[in-house]
Amino acid sequence: GAVVSQHPSRVICKSGTSVKIECRSLDFQATTMFWYRQFPKQSLMLMATSNEGSKATYEQGVEKDKFLINHASLTLSTLTVTSAHPEDSSFYICSAPRGGGRAGELFFGEGSRLTVL
Amino acid sequence: DAKTTQPNSMESNEEEPVHLPCNHSTISGTDYIHWYRQLPSQGPEYVIHGLTSNVNNRMASLAIAEDRKSSTLILHRATLRDAAVYYCILRESGNTGKLIFGQGTTLQVKP
Repeated sequence: GAVVSQHPSRVICKSGTSVKIECRSLDFQATTMFWYRQFPKQSLMLMATSNEGSKATYEQGVEKDKFLINHASLTLSTLTVTSAHPEDSSFYICSAPRGGGRAGELFFGEGSRLTVL
Repeated sequence: DAKTTQPNSMESNEEEPVHLPCNHSTISGTDYIHWYRQLPSQGPEYVIHGLTSNVNNRMASLAIAEDRKSSTLILHRATLRDAAVYYCILRESGNTGKLIFGQGTTLQVKP
C-alpha cells in the first residue's frame, strides 16, 4: 500500500485563489520531504525541500512567496499555491525518504493535479 | 549536479528481457544510482538502486559498470504493465539526498 499520501488528488480553482496540498508519510517519520512539479510530457522538476521544524529550501527560480511550504510535523508537509494563476496548473508530487542518507529509497505520493481556471 | 543520459524511448516485446541503459560519466564516488519509473498520471515508483555492485530485487536487476560511468536496468520479462517512463538518477551526496530527474526513457511494450 501507499506509504506517502497526497490530498487532494485533483483540485480546480479560480484564478487568484490559494490552494493547499497535503503530503503525509503514513507509517514512518520524515524530517525531510521534497516537492516536485510536472507539466504535461515533461519530467519532474524539483521545487523545494521541506524541512521539519525549519524553513524550506527552494530551488533556483522557484518563488518562495508563491509556493508556501510548511512542514508542521514529522508526518505532514503542506504546499500552498498562493494567488494561483492558469500557468500554475500542473501535477504536483511530493516524496519522502524512508531510511537514512543517500541510499534510502524515496517514496512518492500519488500526485495532485491542479487546474486553475 | 551530476547528470545522467538515457535514450528518449525504447520498445520491447512482451515477455522478453529489456535492457535500459544510462550513462553517468560525471558520477562522484559517493553517489548512489537510483532507478524510478512513472506510469501516466501517477507519482514515480522506486525500482532499484546500487552503489558499485550489481543488484537484484523482485522487480529488476541493476548492472553497474566497473568504472561506474554507466549502468543498465534489466527487466527480465517485460509485461504490458511495465510500460512507463524510467528514470536513472544519481542520488546527490550531502545531507538532503534529493533526486534530480532527467528526461528518462519511455518504454513501450508490445503484446
